[in-house]
Amino acid sequence: DTGVSQDPRHKITKRGQNVTFRCDPISEHNRLYWYRQTLGQGPEFLTYFQNEAQLEKSRLLSDRFSAERPKGSFSTLEIQRTEQGDSAMYLCASSLRLAGGSDTQYFGPGTRLTVL
Amino acid sequence: AQSVTQLDSQVPVFEEAPVELRCNYSSSVSVYLFWYVQYPNQGLQLLLKYLSGSTLVKGINGFEAEFNKSQTSFHLRKPSVHISDTAEYFCAVSDENDSSASKIIFGSGTRLSIRP
Repeated sequence: DTGVSQDPRHKITKRGQNVTFRCDPISEHNRLYWYRQTLGQGPEFLTYFQNEAQLEKSRLLSDRFSAERPKGSFSTLEIQRTEQGDSAMYLCASSLRLAGGSDTQYFGPGTRLTVL
Repeated sequence: AQSVTQLDSQVPVFEEAPVELRCNYSSSVSVYLFWYVQYPNQGLQLLLKYLSGSTLVKGINGFEAEFNKSQTSFHLRKPSVHISDTAEYFCAVSDENDSSASKIIFGSGTRLSIRP
């Protein structure tokens, strides 16, 4: 068990550019979550997948944001036409959700995005 | 809707002193409760969680928390802190009856700084 990994760890981009982040969950985990954390705040839920299906999206996730988990394993989060307000830490978490049970989310180290 | 309030944004404590980080939540349904720790430039690590049963929950690194339903609180305690406990601590809640997302609602965090 190598934990949740995210790549890159840091990304600096200019306003208007597109960026893509990758998350590799713990291998047997069927759920994958994306959160955004701005300075001085707790993480805010963005979206989550059960296997390859994206089941919920927050209102925080504007049309410029898209997330995929094509084979039910790794996931990508893309931000198009970045804005300075997109600057934040993007956290990925994964969990193993079993029928009728609760699940514990394990977080990756995050990708820190800076939009100039 | 659920919410989490962490009453102290910063808590300075001398090394080997006891500490309590306060957390109150509001919810119209039964909840699961969590404390996560975030060390500088790292992702979140689960300290402890309350799902059901005993209201006193013991976690890693000598931390414990007590669930108080009547006061809607879940305060985190440690009898003697160490320099290595310097970090940001997040209290969080999820809906026990949420059969879909189990998304976590985080508080804004408490920065614990340990003075030698």
